[in-house]
Amino acid sequence: TQLLEQSPQFLSIQEGENLTVYCNSSSVFSSLQWYRQEPGEGPVLLVTVVTGGEVKKLKRLTFQFGDARKDSSLHITAAQPGDTGLYLCAGMTGTASKLTFGTGTRLQVTL
Amino acid sequence: DAGVTQSPTHLIKTRGQHVTLRCSPISGHKSVSWYQQVLGQGPQFIFQYYEKEERGRGNFPDRFSARQFPNYSSELNVNALLLGDSALYLCASSLSDRAYSSLHFGNGTRLTVT
Repeated sequence: TQLLEQSPQFLSIQEGENLTVYCNSSSVFSSLQWYRQEPGEGPVLLVTVVTGGEVKKLKRLTFQFGDARKDSSLHITAAQPGDTGLYLCAGMTGTASKLTFGTGTRLQVTL
Repeated sequence: DAGVTQSPTHLIKTRGQHVTLRCSPISGHKSVSWYQQVLGQGPQFIFQYYEKEERGRGNFPDRFSARQFPNYSSELNVNALLLGDSALYLCASSLSDRAYSSLHFGNGTRLTVT
């Protein structure tokens, strides 16, 4: 069974702080995705990383895929209240629709 | 363009009952997947359908079944409901079942079993 462990589980920070969320597995994934989910809504795709060592930037968010394609990180610079939500990593093997989701990191950014 | 739509949005059922959840994919998307998200956890894969055929099944009991219709909409059925079936059920659609085909999630059906 493939498992994706995220850390930390909960994070409460003030506006302007930086943070990093980690996603680790003992399994190799062909690609890894990061989603953000807000209360009452479905997950929304933020990014897909495919190549080991790949780094992608989305405004203040930086995503990295580990060299061995077993782990990933999400770094947020100068967090804002709008970044509040549940961040989920999801590994993909085989077909696109069968994602293995991580345990989630709940982020709260306060003024 | 309409996104993935799911109905109903909320549902309360009693143990032992049966439930049917519905999903309409984004127009043009032929693949539909179902996920179960228990409170405080990440979603877990239940089923994937592509072109009306089952392409994958997660580790769920036979009480869970699904189908996809010619218009690519889908139903998830759960029989003999248990308290532990209480969860947010998410439907996601994609253009194909190939790797790297982006998934688009609906807002889910919140099922409460009492």
